[in-house]
Amino acid sequence: EPEVTQTPSHQVTQMGQEVILRCVPISNHLYFYWYRQILGQKVEFLVSFYNNEISEKSEIFDDQFSVERPDGSNFTLKIRSTKLEDSAMYFCASSESEGSNQPQHFGDGTRLSIL
Amino acid sequence: GESVGLHLPTLSVQEGDNSIINCAYSNSASDYFIWYKQESGKGPQFIIDIRSNMDKRQGQRVTVLLNKTVKHLSLQIAATQPGDSAVYFCAENRRGGGNKLTFGTGTQLKVEL
Repeated sequence: EPEVTQTPSHQVTQMGQEVILRCVPISNHLYFYWYRQILGQKVEFLVSFYNNEISEKSEIFDDQFSVERPDGSNFTLKIRSTKLEDSAMYFCASSESEGSNQPQHFGDGTRLSIL
Repeated sequence: GESVGLHLPTLSVQEGDNSIINCAYSNSASDYFIWYKQESGKGPQFIIDIRSNMDKRQGQRVTVLLNKTVKHLSLQIAATQPGDSAVYFCAENRRGGGNKLTFGTGTQLKVEL
């Protein structure tokens, strides 16, 4: 069964450094998402991406965050200058069509630890 | 504020029994609901979904019930197995809400042998 893959599984970074989280969505999916989950809390939406542009973003997704689809298979999340509170699990998801019609399928996440 | 929430943080059941996990939502504009299972160290795994024009949907060993009158949905797992032990989240998408899923806080299901 096709799945969303994320790398790395764990990223440790010094505060203030840039970090790039990588995702390979399911190949025939057109909508891509990033969510985060702070330890012990619920999953929170960050951003959705379709047709090479952001379609929606949350208030968490400030100017320090950016997303990119650099080629036909990868989807990345960049945090420009990390803060301690960015420590969380970051999940990539994809869906075949828009979110109110098709389920989003998630990867196993990248655990980001900011020191 | 608008929210999707779960009634119980932890549910313990005996192996072989049926499990019922509940979820409440507050926004009447919510029109698409998904149940996810999250095992330790893994991402949310899709279980079953339901649209607001339905009140029941069945999958393999799972049933989702939607009561729009009281804004409540439930996930029923038949003959619960040890492999069902996980955190279960309901999530919703609302009309005009774009592609954003709003997740509930999760219920930990523990299956006792």
